[in-house]
Amino acid sequence: DGGITQSPKYLFRKEGQNVTLSCEQNLNHDAMYWYRQDPGQGLRLIYYSQIVNDFQKGDIAEGYSVSREKKESFPLTVTSAQKNPTAFYLCASSMRGSGANYEQYFGPGTRLTVT
Amino acid sequence: AQSVAQPEDQVNVAEGNPLTVKCTYSVSGNPYLFWYVQYPNRGLQFLLKYITGDNLVKGSYGFEAEFNKSQTSFHLKKPSALVSDSALYFCAVREGSGTYKYIFGTGTRLKVLA
Repeated sequence: DGGITQSPKYLFRKEGQNVTLSCEQNLNHDAMYWYRQDPGQGLRLIYYSQIVNDFQKGDIAEGYSVSREKKESFPLTVTSAQKNPTAFYLCASSMRGSGANYEQYFGPGTRLTVT
Repeated sequence: AQSVAQPEDQVNVAEGNPLTVKCTYSVSGNPYLFWYVQYPNRGLQFLLKYITGDNLVKGSYGFEAEFNKSQTSFHLKKPSALVSDSALYFCAVREGSGTYKYIFGTGTRLKVLA
């Protein structure tokens, strides 16, 4: 799982509560990403950030928020507005620039259960 | 719009036999293509990528993939499957060098039977 850590591995919350998932990387990557994985749907992009203090919505950003105050950190907040938050959440990072090393490195994931 | 298709939800293969996991893509520019593998309750691990050059790309754990521009395909292959190859495989595409957004397929579950 490379130099990306996600915590906690399992998270349980009651409906109506906001929850923040942590993602930290020590790979010196500029770009970071959050994905949601549901059975049979593959990975869906929530938010991504190319540089510090900048981020873009992905395909399913509603009910989520992010910040990118430091290069190493890209926390994801799942708000109470997210209608179906129970899922496996994956954080990733990649280099940017004109080099060929464009693959993403993934963290181990956080499984969020909201009841 | 970019898209990636993995037409098979599951592929079963006997141990020792060759395996193929299919991927087709649609992008407007030059594609950057990737394969990843995921074991249960884990993050994805990078296997190989095609950026430019030779159409046959070799990667980790004996896997290789063939880029076919005319068929817009990037199938993952291995000459001899192992039981330990059983996992979920994802194909992904990134469009050109000006974007940092990746599109993933829905995944193909590979089951290698002993």
